[in-house]
Amino acid sequence: DGGITQSPKYLFRKEGQNVTLSCEQNLNHDAMYWYRQDPGQGLRLIYYSQIVNDFQKGDIAEGYSVSREKKESFPLTVTSAQKNPTAFYLCASSIAVGLLFYEQFFGPGTRLTVL
Amino acid sequence: AQSVTQLDSHVSVSEGTPVLLRCNYSSSYSPSLFWYVQHPNKGLQLLLKYTSAATLVKGINGFEAEFKKSETSFHLTKPSAHMSDAAEYFCVVDDGGGYNKLIFGAGTRLAVHP
Repeated sequence: DGGITQSPKYLFRKEGQNVTLSCEQNLNHDAMYWYRQDPGQGLRLIYYSQIVNDFQKGDIAEGYSVSREKKESFPLTVTSAQKNPTAFYLCASSIAVGLLFYEQFFGPGTRLTVL
Repeated sequence: AQSVTQLDSHVSVSEGTPVLLRCNYSSSYSPSLFWYVQHPNKGLQLLLKYTSAATLVKGINGFEAEFKKSETSFHLTKPSAHMSDAAEYFCVVDDGGGYNKLIFGAGTRLAVHP
């Protein structure tokens, strides 16, 4: 089955630790995205990548880092510099054809809790 | 800059009655608009999208939305609510920057009562 997988589903971290969230897609999509969701709020964009080895900061990139070494994978690292990392993290991907992008497909999410 | 406002944070309906979730947008050009649904602790699923074709857009699970440029609205409707429709709904606009950046509304939580 084609889709987006995120692991783990739940993640607990102690303050001061870095943690990496996994996102893998087998949809052959060019573009991938990371969002953060807080209770009562819409999604906010952390980072996005249109092609391999290239990515751009979104609206709330401080305290996060990403890499895009393979088309299928777009891991997100939450660093100790992120002041309030407890949230629900969603990964998405979409087809890109030239300058045209199509709807984004979302993974099931990872809930990160900082203890 | 593009923005989207969902006018109700919570909507409660009885099963079998109509659903109306309201969304207004602000855009300096003709936008692409979407409605996504999120069930608890799940990812988002696309319900429908408007991309400058027909102004009445039909989606999955009996939902539809009408793009009204004069009112800058994109309200989501369904004639008859089902218990399984209980979820969070997000109205979304493309920010027009060419990188498929999406701008999300704050969400409307739909409750469906027997």
